[in-house]
Formats: sequence, C-alpha cells, structure tokens
Amino acid sequence: NAGVTQTPKFQVLKTGQSMTLQCAQDMNHNSMYWYRQDPGMGLRLIYYSASEGTTDKGEVPNGYNVSRLNKREFSLRLESAAPSQTSVYFCASSGIQGIYEQYFGPGTRLTVT
Amino acid sequence: EDKVVQSPLSLVVHEGDTVTLNCSYEVTNFRSLLWYKQEKKAPTFLFMLTSSGIEKKSGRLSSILDKKELFSILNITATQTGDSAIYLCCSHNTNAGKSTFGDGTTLTVKP
Repeated sequence: NAGVTQTPKFQVLKTGQSMTLQCAQDMNHNSMYWYRQDPGMGLRLIYYSASEGTTDKGEVPNGYNVSRLNKREFSLRLESAAPSQTSVYFCASSGIQGIYEQYFGPGTRLTVT
Repeated sequence: EDKVVQSPLSLVVHEGDTVTLNCSYEVTNFRSLLWYKQEKKAPTFLFMLTSSGIEKKSGRLSSILDKKELFSILNITATQTGDSAIYLCCSHNTNAGKSTFGDGTTLTVKP
C-alpha cells in the first residue's frame, strides 16, 4: 500500500517549456487534489477532482490543466512554464470531501528558470 | 471567498512549554476544519473538527472548534523537539468540495 505517489520528485524547466506532473493513489479514494506551496505560505488549491470524470478549478488555476485519467490517477500539466510557477507541488486524495482527511504525496519541487 | 487565518506565524519555545496555535476562518457553508502537521515533507493529518466533534484529543495534542466565534485552537502540552514543524489549519465547505488552507504556524521547540 503505497498511498499517494508523485513523479518526478524534482524538475528544472526553462521558461516556456511544458511538463506533466503525475499522481496516483491506491486507497480507492474518490477525490483528488493538486496544491502548490510557496515559501512561508500554506497550500493553495490549483485544481481538484471530486470524483472520476469531474474536475474543477481551485484558488490558483491559471497556467495549469488537469486530467483525471481514472479513479487512481490525476495529472497536472504546465503548458508553458513561467518563473512564477516555481514551487513545491503536492497531490492529495481523500474519501468524500469534507468528511475524510486528505492524504498527501511526497511533493514535486519545480524550478522554472 | 473563503479565508483561513492562522496566528502566530512563527513561535519559538523550549521543551516542556505549552503552546496554543490559533486558526480563524470565514467559510461559506462550513463543513469541517482540519489540522495538519508538516515537517520537511508532506502534511500529515492530526484532527478533524465538525459540528458533531468540536473537541479532539490525542496524547499531548488537543484541539477545539468554536463554531459561534469561527475559530479553532490547537494545544500542545509538554512540547518536545519532535513537535517542531509547520502546523496547518484547513477548512472545508460543503459546496464544490473546495478546501482552504491558512499560511501555517512554524513551531520551533528548542532543547
């Protein structure tokens, strides 16, 4: 039982490059989330998926797209990376949102130069 | 727009001290409030408080929720160096499944 896994752990991109962050969970959770965390700040919600087949914008969705590939996998894509997207990205999953706690992946540290 | 504010932003104490961390929230259609601990990695769950569970305790940690005044506190008694971490408060509302985190309180416990 691996919980929530994310790849890659580290990534350096040049401005304008694209990449996809992968996330998978093996807990049969319905809901999945993508957050970013900047130094000295809490987690800000980028996108979430309340259930397979649905996705919704969070607090800071601009510059990102997501895909809920199946119940297990939820990917985050940066189409044209910008230095402002330098951050640590966390994926999380939970049972029914608001009723159960979220479980977080180990994070991806992304630097855009 | 939902809002969660934590205070203080940072705190330095010595082992054995008791600390109180604060979290105030303004959330439409409030469902629950959660506390997480974040060491140098991903946040891990501590407590969830809802209208039906407004006080929780686990060992040296305890938390209460005041739904009238819209705040929560996290207490840690007899602090240890292993309690050093960022403590995050998070609110959930019932609409659209959104969660809102505060900026966290960085707790440093010195030997």
